[in-house]
Amino acid sequence: DGGITQSPKYLFRKEGQNVTLSCEQNLNHDAMYWYRQDPGQGLRLIYYSQIVNDFQKGDIAEGYSVSREKKESFPLTVTSAQKNPTAFYLCASSIDRDRGRGYGYTFGSGTRLTVV
Amino acid sequence: EDKVVQSPLSLVVHEGDTVTLNCSYEVTNFRSLLWYKQEKKAPTFLFMLTSSGIEKKSGRLSSILDKKELSSILNITATQTGDSAIYLCAVPATGGFKTIFGAGTRLFVKA
Repeated sequence: DGGITQSPKYLFRKEGQNVTLSCEQNLNHDAMYWYRQDPGQGLRLIYYSQIVNDFQKGDIAEGYSVSREKKESFPLTVTSAQKNPTAFYLCASSIDRDRGRGYGYTFGSGTRLTVV
Repeated sequence: EDKVVQSPLSLVVHEGDTVTLNCSYEVTNFRSLLWYKQEKKAPTFLFMLTSSGIEKKSGRLSSILDKKELSSILNITATQTGDSAIYLCAVPATGGFKTIFGAGTRLFVKA
């Protein structure tokens, strides 16, 4: 079955440590996105990528970095510069950027990151 | 600044009740409004409403778009415990690459 796989489901980070969240899709989607979800707030866009080797900052990119070396993969690194990283992170994909406007989003099951 | 506001933020009802969830938006060049259901982890798509499709229905769920009031409602009739979830409202912003999400309404249906 096609879908998006995020790993790990739970991740603990020490202060000052970089961690990388994995996102892999086998839907042959061009566009991929990273969102952050905090209690009482909507999903906020961190980074998005429309095609391989290209990505753009979203609303809250500071302290995060991404790469898009393969169409299937869009890993997110949470760096030590991100001062409040504890949150639920969702990866999504869509066939293309235009489809991402609507029903074309497919979400992964998320990674819950906690700073210890 | 584009924004999407949902109310209430949380709601507790009993099985069989009917609930109405609200979503209001301020987005430049509005094209569509989306509803998602987030049960455990991954949000799943429910409805997309546009100027040409202002009312959608699927089983016990229905949604209406009011372009004059810049809002939408999601109705769930005869609620079941399986309806317990966070319901997200989202509006694609100008430019297409970004979708503005509301904070969500957390619905809990008691047996």
